[in-house]
Amino acid sequence: EDQVTQSPEALRLQEGESSSLNCSYTVSGLRGLFWYRQDPGKGPEFLFTLYSAGEEKEKERLKATLTKKESFLHITAPKPEDSATYLCAVQTSNDYKLSFGAGTTVTVRA
Amino acid sequence: GAVVSQHPSRVICKSGTSVKIECRSLDFQATTMFWYRQFPKKSLMLMATSNEGSKATYEQGVEKDKFLINHASLTLSTLTVTSAHPEDSSFYICSARDWLASSTDTQYFGPGTRLTVL
Repeated sequence: EDQVTQSPEALRLQEGESSSLNCSYTVSGLRGLFWYRQDPGKGPEFLFTLYSAGEEKEKERLKATLTKKESFLHITAPKPEDSATYLCAVQTSNDYKLSFGAGTTVTVRA
Repeated sequence: GAVVSQHPSRVICKSGTSVKIECRSLDFQATTMFWYRQFPKKSLMLMATSNEGSKATYEQGVEKDKFLINHASLTLSTLTVTSAHPEDSSFYICSARDWLASSTDTQYFGPGTRLTVL
């Protein structure tokens, strides 16, 4: 059974204090790993898709990386508007289903 | 691009009534849409896969007679919660995959529907 584990569960940062979120996965065959951002009471917002180990993608203060066992979401010099829950999901089959981790809730204080 | 809408955003109903939630892809066509349920401070749980022109595929433990899914067109899927009870109260979110974007498997999510059953 596919397993996706995110850590830490919660992360409190001072504005400008860079940090990383972890998503470790155990799957039979990875087709893609996805990062989403979710604000309270909203649907997830797509951030990145990573397909192969060594791949990296960046968007503003966020950078996602992928290895054969885990993915990291690096937040550089975060701002209060980066406060959200960040969800990691894996896709392993050709039916396009996603298995989500529990998420990391990031709070950035000014 | 890749915008998905849901209607209504919030609904309150009495126990025993049925509620229909619509999911629309606004600027792309989606042969496949997905319905998720999310409990407070929990992650998304896939309920079913909605396929245009065919029957939905339900995940284990999800009652297909209670959660009716119809995907009548390439831009619209509906979820009907039949004979709703308080335990069905939850945040329901749909997602859609752009069928023309063969180079990506990305799902785009709607804003969610908060269902409260009294």
